[in-house]
Order: sequence, then C-alpha cells, then structure tokens
Amino acid sequence: NAGVTQTPKFRVLKTGQSMTLLCAQDMNHEYMYWYRQDPGMGLRLIHYSVGEGTTAKGEVPDGYNVSRLKKQNFLLGLESAAPSQTSVYFCASRKELGNYGYTFGSGTRLTVV
Amino acid sequence: AQKVTQAQTEISVVEKEDVTLDCVYETRDTTYYLFWYKQPPSGELVFLIRRNSFDEQNEISGRYSWNFQKSTSSFNFTITASQVVDSAVYFCALSEAFRGGGNKLTFGTGTQLKVEL
Repeated sequence: NAGVTQTPKFRVLKTGQSMTLLCAQDMNHEYMYWYRQDPGMGLRLIHYSVGEGTTAKGEVPDGYNVSRLKKQNFLLGLESAAPSQTSVYFCASRKELGNYGYTFGSGTRLTVV
Repeated sequence: AQKVTQAQTEISVVEKEDVTLDCVYETRDTTYYLFWYKQPPSGELVFLIRRNSFDEQNEISGRYSWNFQKSTSSFNFTITASQVVDSAVYFCALSEAFRGGGNKLTFGTGTQLKVEL
C-alpha cells in the first residue's frame, strides 16, 4: 500500500497565483486532514473531512478551500496565494472506528514569493 | 478546546546522556489519546507512541520511555543514552476520542533535540 500520497512535493508560487494540493489515500480511511507546519508553531489544522462530501474548518482555515468529492482524495486549494502561506503542508488520514492511528503524507513544501 | 504545551524549544545534549522531553496537555474530554511523533531532518513525521487516557502505565521501548501522569496532565518522553541519530524535532499531540468531532489531532510546538558527539 502506498498509504498517503501528497502531490506535488515542492512548489514555488507567485503572489496571487492559485494552486491545488492533492492528498490521496488508499486505505479506505473515512477521516482526512490538512495541516500546515511553520517554524516554532508545530502543526496546525487547516481543514478536515469526516467522510466523502463533507468538510469542516480547523484552526487556521482562512485563505484555503477544500473538497472531498471522492473518499480517497482530499484537495486543498489556494485561490490567491500570499507569502504568509509559505509553509510545509501535511495531509493525514485515519479510520473512523477501531484503529486510532493517523497516517501522514511526506509533506509539500510551498513557497510563495 | 484542547491544548498541548511543549515548553522546551530546544535541548542540546552530549551523546550517551539521558534526556527528557516535557509535554503538558489540556482537555475537557475524559477519553482522549496522546501521541509522540519524531520529525528527523528529512521532514517526515514518524509515529512513536499512542496512549489512551485510561492507561496510565509507563511504557518502555528500547531506549525510549514514556511517563503518563493524569494528575499533572503530563506525558513526558525520555531517551536513555542518547545518540546522534536521535537528533530531530519531537512533537507531542492530543486527539479527542469523540468520533463526531472528527478526532482532530492537536500538536504542541515541538522540541528540537540536538545530540552532539
């Protein structure tokens, strides 16, 4: 199993450009999450989803949109990138029942110039 | 709201020293889960341990040990006889157990551990 795959791994954007980060999991997990990691601030939750077709705001949702049209994919969109969105983005997933472990992707390093 | 505090921003030790990383948490839930993750310089998050709120037994895994004390809301991590390969950022995290809430994982700000020769 591939687990959680994030694409792309690196990206440089100009201020005002848009882009979509893709998170794909092949474990049939119900829950999926997007985090951003900034120096000295740990990982902060941007948005999450508890199932196909559902999304909810996390701690730092402003400037981001998400979609979960298919159970295996969770997309994170930046409509108009800002330098403050320069960060490392991590996606995670987990099953709703039983297994309480979280599986993380390897991260996407995004730089907005 | 949940909160995880890792007051130690950076710790430097000499190889073979023991080191303890502190983690203090806040939650209103009676059932919850605590985690430790390691983030080496390569950047990936490596799962180390998960502990549920009903299990206060300390755990040992090789050179790693964890001390969970509900009375002080702490879940500290000790590395015995540290090695250079232990150099990394370590995160403590807390998740709610209530399924309807999405079981969101709340992270501390991390502790950078540097082990020198």
